[in-house]
Amino acid sequence: ELKVEQNPLFLSMQEGKNYTIYCNYSTTSDRLYWYRQDPGKSLESLFVLLSNGAVKQEGRLMASLDTKARLSTLHITAAVHDLSATYFCAVDATSGTYKYIFGTGTRLKVLA
Amino acid sequence: DTGVSQDPRHKITKRGQNVTFRCDPISEHNRLYWYRQTLGQGPEFLTYFQNEAQLEKSRLLSDRFSAERPKGSFSTLEIQRTEQGDSAMYLCASSSPWVVQGGYGYTFGSGTRLTVV
Repeated sequence: ELKVEQNPLFLSMQEGKNYTIYCNYSTTSDRLYWYRQDPGKSLESLFVLLSNGAVKQEGRLMASLDTKARLSTLHITAAVHDLSATYFCAVDATSGTYKYIFGTGTRLKVLA
Repeated sequence: DTGVSQDPRHKITKRGQNVTFRCDPISEHNRLYWYRQTLGQGPEFLTYFQNEAQLEKSRLLSDRFSAERPKGSFSTLEIQRTEQGDSAMYLCASSSPWVVQGGYGYTFGSGTRLTVV
């Protein structure tokens, strides 16, 4: 059974600092997704990583994928308060249905 | 297109009552998914439709849960004889093969928050 683990589960950081969120998954998967969720809201797609070595950047967020290590990272550069949210990674459980298995999430709080 | 719509946004019901939620996907998307998210957890897969066919159901979907997608358009998720453990956010998402080929992920709706008292 595919399992997806994120760490840390909670992250409190000062504005201007850098940090990395890690996402490990237990079996091979073609694709990895990062989503953001604000409290009480739905999920917003951030990145889709399609192959080994893929790197995508948007603003202060950069995501990468190492399929051999079954690891994805979400790096935050010079954090700002607006980045406070919960971040989820997800992988395709099986090919064909594109059913996602989500990690438990990393709750990020950026302190002013 | 306004994205994936879910109705209602919030539902409070007494234990034992039946509830039904509706999801309207993005019109050109033929795939529709239901997920459940409890507080502090990631979304968990419940079921998946391709057009009107329900192709997969999670073990989480007990006999009290039923989902339909008549005519391959909107979908409904019904929970019969609700229990307190059913309290959660129910999320709907849609996608299509060309969304996948284009390297995009699902689009999620805003969710229906169910509270069973």
